[in-house]
Amino acid sequence: NAGVIQTPRHKVTGKGQEATLWCEPISGHSAVFWYRQTIVQGLEFLTYFRNQAPIDDSGMPKERFSAQMPNQSHSTLKIQSTQPQDSAVYLCASSLGDSDYTFGSGTRLLVI
Amino acid sequence: GEQVEQRPPHLSVPEGDSAVIICTYTDSATAYFYWYKQEPGAGLQLLMSVFSNVDRKEEQGLTVLLNKKDKQLSLNLTAAHPGDSAVYFCAVSATGGADRLTFGKGTQLIIQP
Repeated sequence: NAGVIQTPRHKVTGKGQEATLWCEPISGHSAVFWYRQTIVQGLEFLTYFRNQAPIDDSGMPKERFSAQMPNQSHSTLKIQSTQPQDSAVYLCASSLGDSDYTFGSGTRLLVI
Repeated sequence: GEQVEQRPPHLSVPEGDSAVIICTYTDSATAYFYWYKQEPGAGLQLLMSVFSNVDRKEEQGLTVLLNKKDKQLSLNLTAAHPGDSAVYFCAVSATGGADRLTFGKGTQLIIQP
């Protein structure tokens, strides 16, 4: 069990470019969550999927951010036209849906 | 929505002493409670999870207390050692594993050798 795998670990993008972050949940886990971590705001919920279906995206910024889960083995978080304020650590977590959550190591995004 | 306050934001204790971190939450329907540890550059490591029917849980030098009347959750590290230095987060969920987590702001814990 390799745990939740997030790639890349670090990403640097220029302002206005697109960034795509990948998450591979633990095999068999039915729920996948995305969070954003910054010093100022702490850990913020973005969105989650259950059995690949989007359930709650209430934490997603309305513009430029989108998430998908095309199959049970991975989810992507895409940020279009990145801005410096998007710089953060993006964490993915997966769960069997009944108790505990397992987090990945995160993707540290820096927009310059 | 649910709000979680965590205190203190910073805590420094000598090696061998105890460290206590406290969280308060607002939603009485919250049923699942978690403590995570985060080391620099790493993700969140689950330390302990507690369901609302448990008032006290102890594992490997850690004690979690849940006071549902006061909506308070605490983590006690006994006999802390330098390896315990990290940022600790509490988190709560209404339906563990099937719903979002709401996190406290974190506590930077430093264990002085």
